[in-house]
Amino acid sequence: AQSVTQLDSQVPVFEEAPVELRCNYSSSVSVYLFWYVQYPNQGLQLLLKYLSGSTLVKGINGFEAEFNKSQTSFHLRKPSVHISDTAEYFCAVSHSGAGSYQLTFGKGTKLSVIP
Amino acid sequence: DADVTQTPRNRITKTGKRIMLECSQTKGHDRMYWYRQDPGLGLRLIYYSFDVKDINKGEISDGYSVSRQAQAKFSLSLESAIPNQTALYFCATSDGTGGGNEQFFGPGTRLTVL
Repeated sequence: AQSVTQLDSQVPVFEEAPVELRCNYSSSVSVYLFWYVQYPNQGLQLLLKYLSGSTLVKGINGFEAEFNKSQTSFHLRKPSVHISDTAEYFCAVSHSGAGSYQLTFGKGTKLSVIP
Repeated sequence: DADVTQTPRNRITKTGKRIMLECSQTKGHDRMYWYRQDPGLGLRLIYYSFDVKDINKGEISDGYSVSRQAQAKFSLSLESAIPNQTALYFCATSDGTGGGNEQFFGPGTRLTVL
């Protein structure tokens, strides 16, 4: 079985400051990792994904994440946030083995950008 | 036009009523999913379907049923709604051929059961 832990349920940050949203996963097989963003009153939109290759993944809106296999982490970062980044962010994991249909989500981190 | 659409977007109903939420997609994907989102709990899988003849229960299927009318349509029904089914419901699709099972989401249906 796989699981995802998002260590912070809420993260307030001032505009133009850097931010890191933390995600740890557990799985007994090779994983694929995703970050989704949910803006208020909207569905989920893919920010970025790690499938293989380079462990540093760049996504939309200036976000990036780094896959760290030894620490089983996939933290999301942005060097300078904007008001428009206020949203809820979900980390998710799937894997390459049996049952690979399943996308397991973390409980989400609400990012609030303070003017 | 959106690739994954859900109707209705908002619904208020009463305890004991039957209600159906509908999802349509134009992405040509075989796999479709229904999730519910509750504050602080993330997304939990209710049902999923790999094709028209393949329906499977997810993590929290009790109290729900689904119908896959066509490749592009996947409906979720609450046979007798109860207040703790008040939630945001999302439909999603994936092609299952690669990409780590990346899923594409509809805009959601906000359901309130009184």
